[in-house]
Amino acid sequence: DAGVIQSPRHEVTEMGQEVTLRCKPISGHNSLFWYRQTMMRGLELLIYFNNNVPIDDSGMPEDRFSAKMPNASFSTLKIQPSEPRDSAVYFCASRWGIGSQYFGPGTRLLVL
Amino acid sequence: KQEVTQIPAALSVPEGENLVLNCSFTDSAIYNLQWFRQDPGKGLTSLLLIQSSQREQTSGRLNASLDKSSGRSTLYIAASQPGDSATYLCAVELNTGNQFYFGTGTSLTVIP
Repeated sequence: DAGVIQSPRHEVTEMGQEVTLRCKPISGHNSLFWYRQTMMRGLELLIYFNNNVPIDDSGMPEDRFSAKMPNASFSTLKIQPSEPRDSAVYFCASRWGIGSQYFGPGTRLLVL
Repeated sequence: KQEVTQIPAALSVPEGENLVLNCSFTDSAIYNLQWFRQDPGKGLTSLLLIQSSQREQTSGRLNASLDKSSGRSTLYIAASQPGDSATYLCAVELNTGNQFYFGTGTSLTVIP
């Protein structure tokens, strides 16, 4: 298995632009998680899906953030409009049942 | 809210030493605890997962223990190697399911 795949790996954009991050979970996994990692706040859970349904989005910082999972093999995290304080590394992770989480390589986002 | 603390924040040891990393959490109502390693610029790699009903898990030179009542977990690394140099994070999952809280990590350097 290729593991969790994220794209793009790096993204540089200007404030106010829309940013879309993509994730392909491991085949057969039924839960998907989006995290954000910064030096100041560490690793934070933004939202998770179970069987493609959003279960808890209480970690999403504000309405500028949205996430979708249209099918079991694809999810997006969108920021619109982006702001410099959104600069961080965004990770996607997946798992099956109550097993271990498997993380993707992350998307390093820089908003100028 | 669950708080997860890892001490020390950084650790430097000579190659061959045995070492212990600590993780403490404030809410003992956890479902499981997972240890990860993160290499610079990379995603997280799962090391060990301990279910709440278990007291320890072992994988090769790694041994993780869990004491729910005291809110503590330790990761023991035997005969450390330079390749063990990384940041080690622990994460607890609440027993409500799919609520994860990460520690800020311990940065380990093993000196050849």
